[in-house]
Parts: sequence; structure tokens; C-alpha cells
Amino acid sequence: NAGVTQTPKFRVLKTGQSMTLLCAQDMNHEYMYWYRQDPGMGLRLIHYSVGEGTTAKGEVPDGYNVSRLKKQNFLLGLESAAPSQTSVYFCASSYRFTGELFFGEGSRLTVL
Amino acid sequence: TQLLEQSPQFLSIQEGENLTVYCNSSSVFSSLQWYRQEPGEGPVLLVTVVTGGEVKKLKRLTFQFGDARKDSSLHITAAQPGDTGLYLCAGATSSGNTPLVFGKGTRLSVIA
Repeated sequence: NAGVTQTPKFRVLKTGQSMTLLCAQDMNHEYMYWYRQDPGMGLRLIHYSVGEGTTAKGEVPDGYNVSRLKKQNFLLGLESAAPSQTSVYFCASSYRFTGELFFGEGSRLTVL
Repeated sequence: TQLLEQSPQFLSIQEGENLTVYCNSSSVFSSLQWYRQEPGEGPVLLVTVVTGGEVKKLKRLTFQFGDARKDSSLHITAAQPGDTGLYLCAGATSSGNTPLVFGKGTRLSVIA
């Protein structure tokens, strides 16, 4: 049972470079989320999706874009990476909007 | 903006001690979830409390939802090194049309 899978797990970027994080879930969940986790800041919601083809902004959306072209995948893009985007990124999915979240193992991104 | 305040932020105790961590808000939540996150992994749901005054037990962990559904506590009896981790609370708003609100977490270290 894979659950929620994130790729890549580690990445180092230079300022200004772009990249995409991929999240895949095999539980047929409608709802998917991208969070970032920084020391002392807890989990902060970047963007989320309530179904295939939909996206919405969370608490800290600036500098990120997302797409949900297929129900099982949720992509997080950084068009021009900045050092402030150095963080651990978590993807999650849920069956109900405020139900149990199933998290991936995280993707550690460092922007130099 | 609905906020969840967790206290203490850090807690370091000896094996066998008891502890309580708190999750407080000025807002009412329809339900509240507790997650535990171990190093290098994503958070995993421990319990969901729904009814005001509800008490749930999970082995040595006791969770309580406040009567007014504005606060919750997690009590651990006879802590063990395996309890070490980051404990996060997350609340579902009464409207049900916004994502879960997360607290910043309590980082627990249990020393053998």
C-alpha cells in the first residue's frame, strides 16, 4: 500500500531555478494539499485541491503554482526559487475535506 | 483567522514521567484531530475528537475535547522514548468549507 508518494525526496536548487514536486496518491481521494514545514512554524498550507481540475490558495501561496490534471496527482511548482523557499514540503490527501489527512514522507528542498 | 495555540512548544522529560500538552483557541471547532510526527516522516493521525467533553484513550495516551469545543489536551502516562516526536493538533472549522487549521506543535523528547 503506497498511500501518498512524493518525488523527489531531496533537491538542491540555485536561486532563480525552477522545479516541480510531484505528489501521487492511490486512495482515490478527492482532496489533496501541499504544506511547508519550517522550524517553529508548524505546517502551513500552500495550495489545495477539492477535486480533479480544481486548485485553491492556502495560507502561503506566493511563489508557488499547482496543478491537478489527474485525480491521483497534485503538482507543486516553483517558477523562480528563492532562499526563503528552503523548507520541507509535505503533500497530503483526504477522503473528506476536514477528515483524516494522509501525508507523504516529505520533500526537503534547499535553495542556495 | 482561526488560530490554534499549542503549549508547551518544547518538552523534555525522563522516561516514566507523565505529561500534558494543550491545544487552545478562542474559536469553536466542529472536531479536532491529533497527529504525531516522527523525524523524517509525515504526520500520522492519532485520534479525532468530535463531541464537547469527549475523552478518548489510546493505550497510554488520553485525549480530551473541551466542553465548548475550543480546546483539547493530550495526556501521556508513563512516557516512553517511543513517544518522542512532534505532536500537532488540527481543527475543523464549524462551517466545514475551509481546510483544517493546524497548531504549531509540541516537540516532545523522552529520555531513557
